[in-house]
Amino acid sequence: IAGITQAPTSQILAAGRRMTLRCTQDMRHNAMYWYRQDLGLGLRLIHYSNTAGTTGKGEVPDGYSVSRANTDDFPLTLASAVPSQTSVYFCASSEKGLRTDTQYFGPGTRLTVL
Amino acid sequence: RKEVEQDPGPFNVPEGATVAFNCTYSNSASQSFFWYRQDCRKEPKLLMSVYSSGNEDGRFTAQLNRASQYISLLIRDSKLSDSATYLCVAPNSGGYQKVTFGTGTKLQVIP
Repeated sequence: IAGITQAPTSQILAAGRRMTLRCTQDMRHNAMYWYRQDLGLGLRLIHYSNTAGTTGKGEVPDGYSVSRANTDDFPLTLASAVPSQTSVYFCASSEKGLRTDTQYFGPGTRLTVL
Repeated sequence: RKEVEQDPGPFNVPEGATVAFNCTYSNSASQSFFWYRQDCRKEPKLLMSVYSSGNEDGRFTAQLNRASQYISLLIRDSKLSDSATYLCVAPNSGGYQKVTFGTGTKLQVIP
């Protein structure tokens, strides 16, 4: 069982380009999340999805969009990347989307926007 | 006040020592908390959950103090392999009903 996979592992991107970070889970979890992690700021929630077909905004959603067409996949898109979006991006999932759930994280994507 | 606050450390302790971290939270209605461990350049992984009075798992003990709104993590008999960053997690007070991760406390266990 792979758990959660993310792709790419790392990416260098020119400012203004469009980029989609991929996330797939095989645990049949209802809820999925995207976080960014920056030094000194910790993990911040970008978007989440409590179930397939629904999405919601987290703490720092601006400049990002997500979709949840099925249970397994939760891609994160940067429509026009800016240098401030340089970060490590983690995808996570949990069984029901409750605050009491354990969250399981993917290995992360290191994104550099120049 | 931040939703979750942690001392960033680093805490440098010798092998075999006992070390404790605190984490304060702002949402007084919070009922459940977590400690996650994150190794350098890796993803966070659940260490333990904390409900009501606390939780113990081997060398690790987590306790909750509702009156002062903090949770603690105690590590006894520290091992080199305990070196990591420990993230405190608490329910947020935002409208989206999720959790907030602290910025983490870095522990370095020294031989």
